[in-house]
Amino acid sequence: RKEVEQDPGPFNVPEGATVAFNCTYSNSASQSFFWYRQDCRKEPKLLMSVYSSGNEDGRFTAQLNRASQYISLLIRDSKLSDSATYLCVVNMPRSNSGYALNFGKGTSLLVTP
Amino acid sequence: DTAVSQTPKYLVTQMGNDKSIKCEQNLGHDTMYWYKQDSKKFLKIMFSYNNKELIINETVPNRFSPKSPDKAHLNLHINSLELGDSAVYFCASSQEWGRAGFSYGYTFGSGTRLTVV
Repeated sequence: RKEVEQDPGPFNVPEGATVAFNCTYSNSASQSFFWYRQDCRKEPKLLMSVYSSGNEDGRFTAQLNRASQYISLLIRDSKLSDSATYLCVVNMPRSNSGYALNFGKGTSLLVTP
Repeated sequence: DTAVSQTPKYLVTQMGNDKSIKCEQNLGHDTMYWYKQDSKKFLKIMFSYNNKELIINETVPNRFSPKSPDKAHLNLHINSLELGDSAVYFCASSQEWGRAGFSYGYTFGSGTRLTVV
């Protein structure tokens, strides 16, 4: 099983649509979860953290289900500027007792006029 | 005022050469990282340093050697470059300790696009 798994898309949606992305992760001991956004030829940027109780930031809502190791991101009222790749990210143990953010391969979103 | 800055932004070099990429952060963070993003866009951790101490050293060829002179700087030196090293290399930093299970999230530099010809 891949450590962080996402549907790669692409998702093509019209402006104003609602779109949902899903992600699963393999390590049940993981404690921190995020959605990052990456524009073409740019660095990943933190979109939002994801909490067990679910959290909202404007048009964006993130949910975490620890029991099923599942994370989601909902974007309401899509804007053209939301077009990007959305990366599901989980903090996981690595070598030498270190931890690092593990990235999914990303889900591509294209919002069209 | 750039929080995490990398240089150079682009690097084109021949196979067999040795090159370095520099990274600096002015956020006062304790931990710094190198990630590689290959042609399939997959971001993979290579190394992490916590206040000059190497924490994570993933399965990376030993031609890659990170160096951290102080907690604000993490450089990456690559010997005997190969075609397969072509990728975008991202530096990142975070405020938490490199062995903490909890993370505040990372701030990334703008990346170094390495092309080996």
